[in-house]
Formats: sequence, structure tokens, C-alpha cells
Amino acid sequence: GAVVSQHPSWVICKSGTSVKIECRSLDFQATTMFWYRQFPKQSLMLMATSNEGSKATYEQGVEKDKFLINHASLTLSTLTVTSAHPEDSSFYICSVGGGTGISKNIQYFGAGTRLSVL
Amino acid sequence: AQKITQTQPGMFVQEKEAVTLDCTYDTSDPSYGLFWYKQPSSGEMIFLIYQGSYDQQNATEGRYSLNFQKARKSANLVISASQLGDSAMYFCAMTPRRYSTLTFGKGTMLLVSP
Repeated sequence: GAVVSQHPSWVICKSGTSVKIECRSLDFQATTMFWYRQFPKQSLMLMATSNEGSKATYEQGVEKDKFLINHASLTLSTLTVTSAHPEDSSFYICSVGGGTGISKNIQYFGAGTRLSVL
Repeated sequence: AQKITQTQPGMFVQEKEAVTLDCTYDTSDPSYGLFWYKQPSSGEMIFLIYQGSYDQQNATEGRYSLNFQKARKSANLVISASQLGDSAMYFCAMTPRRYSTLTFGKGTMLLVSP
């Protein structure tokens, strides 16, 4: 399967600051990446679909100006949480899809980023 | 819209025994994919197994098998010969073939005891 690198794994920031999270596809070119959010003891909720070279598609209820997504290359997508507040504290995890053959249907995930906003 | 239901919040099993984690789904799409992921306490999501809705045979991957019953809309995960390292949260998920967005269930916490 695909190898996905996500950085940083853990970040603590002050309220009002912005945080950038990187998601890299290490072994194939990903035209599509996905960003999820997971609160403690809950399931993953899709935030947005990141498309290389075009604007991201956000799910209903996700603020585009709050969660900026940039997919500038086939191997890198970034999620920037702007003016973070304590309620943005969560586990953010990216995934890569669209391999070849049977793998094209499978999403492979990064290790996730735990964000704590003080 | 798709919906995944996992009715077991937690399951306990002894080492070396088999365990079945339940998953039912609902979708209006004629073609879809079903997945199981494992999430250990570290947080990463590990892909376990995939089943296409038109696949004739149930999927198997090592100790994991997916008991796919299309008429009942169920996709249960069977783990044979449980190991201590299998202790984790398990999520069932699905996606329509037309696009790739995954819908997850609420998960089942599996604890394997010695």
C-alpha cells in the first residue's frame, strides 16, 4: 500500500496562532488527498477533499477560511488551522487514495497530528 | 448517503481465540466498497481488508476475513487466532465506487487478554 507521512505528529500552540500540518505521499503521485478530524473516543469525520492543482472540496459545516488546504504538488497537501482556538484541539489525519489496480479503491492514512490549543 | 453501523462499543477476547466484529451498512449506490481499519492507541489508521460489492468471494488477508452478506447489508470482520497486538479500535467504512470519500462507523474497541 501507499506510504503516507504526516508532520508534525503533535503540536501545542497558543490560541490565535496558525498551525500548518503536512501530508506527503512518499511512493506514488496522489491527485487526491483527504483530511479528517477525530475527537476523543469518536469516529473520523471527513473535513475536505484535497485535489492537486485545484481548490479543495469542503464538507458541509467545515469553515473554508478556518481550515486552509493547499495541494500544490502530487505528493504534498497541507492543512493550515488559522487563528486556532481551544475548540480546534483535535486529532487531524490525512489519507491518500487513488493507487492502481485494486489499491485504487483504498485510502492509506498518515500517522495523524494531535493538536492542542491552549 | 451512506451509513455505517457498528453496534458493539467494546469486545473482549482471549488470546488465540477468534472474534467477529459486526458492521452493517446502508447505501443507495449499486456499487460500493467496504473497508476495515485498525486504530491502535498511537492513532494511526491501518488498512486491514477491502471488499467490493460485486466481488463474488469474501475477502481474506492473513488472519483477517470479511464475512460479506450483501442481502443483509453486513460486512463483519473476523479475526482468527487473536493476538495481544490486536487490541485496538476497529472501524468499518464504506465508499461508493463513483468517488472516494469514506464514511466511517463509530468503531469497536477490541481488547485481547492473555
